[in-house]
Amino acid sequence: DQQVKQNSPSLSVQEGRISILNCDYTNSMFDYFLWYKKYPAEGPTFLISISSIKDKNEDGRFTVFLNKSAKHLSLHIVPSQPGDSAVYFCAAGRRDQGGKLIFGQGTELSVKP
Amino acid sequence: KAGVTQTPRYLIKTRGQQVTLSCSPISGHRSVSWYQQTPGQGLQFLFEYFSETQRNKGNFPGRFSGRQFSNSRSEMNVSTLELGDSALYLCASSQDSTSTDTQYFGPGTRLTVL
Repeated sequence: DQQVKQNSPSLSVQEGRISILNCDYTNSMFDYFLWYKKYPAEGPTFLISISSIKDKNEDGRFTVFLNKSAKHLSLHIVPSQPGDSAVYFCAAGRRDQGGKLIFGQGTELSVKP
Repeated sequence: KAGVTQTPRYLIKTRGQQVTLSCSPISGHRSVSWYQQTPGQGLQFLFEYFSETQRNKGNFPGRFSGRQFSNSRSEMNVSTLELGDSALYLCASSQDSTSTDTQYFGPGTRLTVL
């Protein structure tokens, strides 16, 4: 039962263009969503989060959008840089379940110069 | 502050053996969560410990267990290893046990079961 899904295993974009990574979830009880970035041989690094009471959160080049009716969130990176090349995981949590996070399978982003 | 540390970084075991992995959280963090990462499965939640108590548990068999010490360091144990247990095991620490509290991950322990 995959409650959080990232349907695109990989994405390739040109440097300077927008990268859009997508994530779908099935459990309407999730009330907090996060994006993590992972480089090889390192643990995931927190990128940005959004509460279910919001539909958008920005942090520099990174913006996360949440569409609760569609149970869909997306991460926009503008402009994309070669250093953004990594695996991106979306994750979801519930305030009544402590620190338990449910992760998607990840999308490998490649930003080409 | 030092980050989350995990030991050992790499481990090779054979089927039927047991293994213990260690995680030292960031100083001051009281919550430690463990995740298993396998190709195509993303990160799957194993369990979370907060103040030496297991707060949450994922859908893993009883062969997977853990504990947390008074200094917040945590260990996870896998008994009767199976080939399918080969994975990257990640631990993450946070100050408190809430989904909104940022979790900081260690580099992981790569376990190979032969």
